[in-house]
Amino acid sequence: SQELEQSPQSLIVQEGKNLTINCTSSKTLYGLYWYKQKYGEGLIFLMMLQKGGEEKSHEKITAKLDEKKQQSSLHITASQPSHAGIYLCGADEGGTSYGKLTFGQGTILTVHP
Amino acid sequence: DAGVTQSPTHLIKTRGQHVTLRCSPISGHKSVSWYQQVLGQGPQFIFQYYEKEERGRGNFPDRFSARQFPNYSSELNVNALLLGDSALYLCASSAVVGLANTEAFFGQGTRLTVV
Repeated sequence: SQELEQSPQSLIVQEGKNLTINCTSSKTLYGLYWYKQKYGEGLIFLMMLQKGGEEKSHEKITAKLDEKKQQSSLHITASQPSHAGIYLCGADEGGTSYGKLTFGQGTILTVHP
Repeated sequence: DAGVTQSPTHLIKTRGQHVTLRCSPISGHKSVSWYQQVLGQGPQFIFQYYEKEERGRGNFPDRFSARQFPNYSSELNVNALLLGDSALYLCASSAVVGLANTEAFFGQGTRLTVV
């Protein structure tokens, strides 16, 4: 089965700083999802990437999927306290398992004002 | 429009008891998936249902079961609760299955504590 490794496991930044979270897969990614989670709450959908080399942005968050479709990065520009939370990458296993998402362990982001 | 709704939000049960968790998908969505998230880890896939049929099952014991109703809402049942079943149970809703990269939207979850 597919495994996703996120790095770093936790990140503490000062407000206004840029940061990057990485997600690496053991297999080719058929689809890569990024979610944000506040502690103990549900997952908020951020972005979904499908094609090798694809890049999507929403407000100050940019996500990229590499050409080989085995690594994705989430970049936050000029971080704000509202960006704090747990960021999770999830992979669609594809084939007969479409819709079954495998998640990384999460990256805990703290933004100090 | 209402998003994915789950009930109850919190639940405390005793070891050996049975629990039923409920999920209502986004209007028009026909697929519901269930995930278990233990503290400090990413969610783990439990079940996927589409059009009232089970389409996928994760690596969970038979104590876990689920079903989907004609209105596409779903129940997750767990029998003979163990302390290790304490977790946040998440429900995800999507329009279809079988298509690559269908967006999945999650509910707020049910926090189950087994004592």
